[in-house]
Amino acid sequence: NAGVTQTPKFQVLKTGQSMTLQCAQDMNHNSMYWYRQDPGMGLRLIYYSASEGTTDKGEVPNGYNVSRLNKREFSLRLESAAPSQTSVYFCASRVGSSYNEQFFGPGTRLTVL
Amino acid sequence: GNSVTQMEGPVTLSEEAFLTINCTYTATGYPSLFWYVQYPGEGLQLLLKATKADDKGSNKGFEATYRKETTSFHLEKGSVQVSDSAVYFCALRTQGGSEKLVFGKGTKLTVNP
Repeated sequence: NAGVTQTPKFQVLKTGQSMTLQCAQDMNHNSMYWYRQDPGMGLRLIYYSASEGTTDKGEVPNGYNVSRLNKREFSLRLESAAPSQTSVYFCASRVGSSYNEQFFGPGTRLTVL
Repeated sequence: GNSVTQMEGPVTLSEEAFLTINCTYTATGYPSLFWYVQYPGEGLQLLLKATKADDKGSNKGFEATYRKETTSFHLEKGSVQVSDSAVYFCALRTQGGSEKLVFGKGTKLTVNP
């Protein structure tokens, strides 16, 4: 049981390049989330998916797109990376309405030059 | 709107010192409250939680009591260890099935031997 996994761990992009961050969970959770963590800002929600086939915007969705590919996988795409998107990105998952805990992946450190 | 305010860090203590990290919140109704911990280079882990007023969450020697009258959820530990060095996040989840967590900005704790 690996929990929540994220790939890659580190990535450096040039401004304007695109990439997809991958996230997968093996806990049969319904809900999945993407956050970004910036110094002094805590974690801010980018997008979330309450169930397979649904996605919703969080606090800071601009510049990102997401895909809930199936129940296990939730990807985050940067179509045209900008230096302001330099951050650490965390994926999380949660069972659903009966339990409140979110389980987090190890993070992806992204630098946009 | 919903928000969480934590004491600014960093906090530096000697081993066996008493720890308090203050957390207050603004939310409608009766939110669930959480403390998450992030060890260096890792994702967030749930440390403890409380789902209703006067509940006390506890784990690994840490405690926090949900105080509705003061809208607070302060984290305490009687005797910290070097291994407690981490960043601590207070968070809330609003009532009514909301999928989203709202995080404070985090407090970095360093414990010296």
